[in-house]
Amino acid sequence: EVQLVESGGAVIQPGGSLRLSCVASGFRFDDYAMHWVRQVPGKGLEWLSLISWDGANSYYADSVQGRFIISRDNRKNSLYLEMDSLGPDDTAFYFCAKGHTSGYLEYFDYWGMGTLVTVSS
Amino acid sequence: VLTQSPATLSVSPGDRATLSCRASQSVTTNLAWYQHKPGQAPRLLIHGASTRATGVPARFSGSGSGTEFTLTITSLQSEDFAVYYCQQYTNWPPKNTFGQGTKLEIK
Repeated sequence: EVQLVESGGAVIQPGGSLRLSCVASGFRFDDYAMHWVRQVPGKGLEWLSLISWDGANSYYADSVQGRFIISRDNRKNSLYLEMDSLGPDDTAFYFCAKGHTSGYLEYFDYWGMGTLVTVSS
Repeated sequence: VLTQSPATLSVSPGDRATLSCRASQSVTTNLAWYQHKPGQAPRLLIHGASTRATGVPARFSGSGSGTEFTLTITSLQSEDFAVYYCQQYTNWPPKNTFGQGTKLEIK
């Protein structure tokens, strides 16, 4: 059974930093691109970032470019999101999602349940 | 850009729901639908515009190509009331890859 479990969400002050993790199981992790998607409470889904199967390539939405860094450790079946310069607009549920293939343009066949990041003073 | 309509749809259990997703440019059939309930992981329902994902009941069906897509749910069950999103996976970069969602609520 495929499972994605996010962690690391917290209440953080504006300007702060946070690292989210996603541990994967039930599939060969290093065969697939992985993504981060967020949802501001009461709003829609926003794609944030993707990383290639080998970690060599990564891409970001304009809203997080330069502030967030995606990474992965295939030995640990883990995906990460380093977030810096957090602001109130970053308050959201953060989901990791598995791409259907190793490609970059794909649908997401499995998602985690999300972890909540709250940016507030 | 994907535009979903309506924003909210009120339907009675047992009835049919029809949700729309319009793309600003052709995405051929590279369109997926997801169901999302509060506190849960989003669930893939449809990919390739019309292919049901593994384990998805037959009452869910997708249709369309190019710029116009529809998700139809027949014989609505209580567990079907949720927010539904469409997603295109044709255009790079994948920003604005999701529609804004349609909330399906009980009438």
